[in-house]
Amino acid sequence: GAGVSQSPRYKVAKRGQDVALRCDPISGHVSLFWYQQALGQGPEFLTYFQNEAQLDKSGLPSDRFFAERPEGSVSTLKIQRTQQEDSAVYLCASGVGTYTDTQYFGPGTRLTVL
Amino acid sequence: QKEVEQNSGPLSVPEGAIASLNCTYSDRGSQSFFWYRQYSGKSPELIMSIYSNGDKEDGRFTAQLNKASQYVSLLIRDSQPSDSATYLCAVNAGRDYGQNFVFGPGTRLSVLP
Repeated sequence: GAGVSQSPRYKVAKRGQDVALRCDPISGHVSLFWYQQALGQGPEFLTYFQNEAQLDKSGLPSDRFFAERPEGSVSTLKIQRTQQEDSAVYLCASGVGTYTDTQYFGPGTRLTVL
Repeated sequence: QKEVEQNSGPLSVPEGAIASLNCTYSDRGSQSFFWYRQYSGKSPELIMSIYSNGDKEDGRFTAQLNKASQYVSLLIRDSQPSDSATYLCAVNAGRDYGQNFVFGPGTRLSVLP
């Protein structure tokens, strides 16, 4: 079956622009995670959804970052007034159940802020 | 602050040798532990999970967990050039809602033909 998909795969933004990154999880997956991965680093947790409920947003680095999953499937990560330090790969992962341990990662969106 | 630490490497081993990757974690209450492989420019893929103290084997991979020492390792036997990648250790220290994954920085493995 189809895996986790993300779009766009690459995004170049000028500093100050707003961007929206989309994640399509595996159909029926309850859990959805967003991570930020800087070059040469491991993924850093941003936020977690269980269906449409955002249960943990402790990893969002500032109030410029906002995530939603209004119908419990597709999720969007929005970054307002992008800054150069936002340049990274943004990974989305989904999991089957409420307390799933197995995450399936999407291919990521590489964001470059000029 | 929950932390997961790994040697960044690179770790170089000859083809056919055993590669040993290590990871320590700070949250003593962590319940589940994972090793992911990440090829350059690709997303992480799960290769092993372990929940209980001791060893868990899957093909050429063996994960080892010691909760008392807060230590997880991954052994790769008969290493192949295709194993060259970054190996990420991850820990789920979730409590109330069950999900709090913390990743280490990764160890870059290079298997030399």
